[in-house]
Amino acid sequence: EDQVTQSPEALRLQEGESSSLNCSYTVSGLRGLFWYRQDPGKGPEFLFTLYSAGEEKEKERLKATLTKKESFLHITAPKPEDSATYLCAVQADVTGRRALTFGSGTRLQVQP
Amino acid sequence: DAGVTQSPTHLIKTRGQHVTLRCSPISGHKSVSWYQQVLGQGPQFIFQYYEKEERGRGNFPDRFSARQFPNYSSELNVNALLLGDSALYLCASSLGRGTYEQYFGPGTRLTVT
Repeated sequence: EDQVTQSPEALRLQEGESSSLNCSYTVSGLRGLFWYRQDPGKGPEFLFTLYSAGEEKEKERLKATLTKKESFLHITAPKPEDSATYLCAVQADVTGRRALTFGSGTRLQVQP
Repeated sequence: DAGVTQSPTHLIKTRGQHVTLRCSPISGHKSVSWYQQVLGQGPQFIFQYYEKEERGRGNFPDRFSARQFPNYSSELNVNALLLGDSALYLCASSLGRGTYEQYFGPGTRLTVT
């Protein structure tokens, strides 16, 4: 069974204080690992897809990296508007199992 | 371009009732997936449809059913509602059923009393 574990559950940062969120996964052949941002009461917003170990992607203050067992979302000099829940999901490379398996998320609060 | 749309936004139902939730995918997208998100948890997969056929089903009871229409829109039906069905129901669309990014709609907040 595919599993995704995210840590920490919650993180409070001061504006400008860089940090990293962790996503550990177990999957029967990784087809893709996805990062989403979710604001309260809204649907997840797509951020990144990573396909293979060693891959990195960046978007503004966010950088996602991938190893064979985990992914990190690095947040550089965060701003209050980066406050949200960040979700990690994996897609298995198994026919008929293309659904995403999500972790419980990391709730990030950035204080001014 | 319009994103994924869902209706209604909010819904309050009584135990034992039936509910229908609707989703319109991004133009050009042929695959729709449904997820249930309980407060404090990540979304949990319910169904995936591609070209009007069911391509995957999560670990949900038979009270949950869905279908996809020729215009690729979709509806999720839940019968005999239980208090535990209260959640945010999310629809996601993607180009196909392979490794394509899934884009989520705003969700329908269902409350069962």
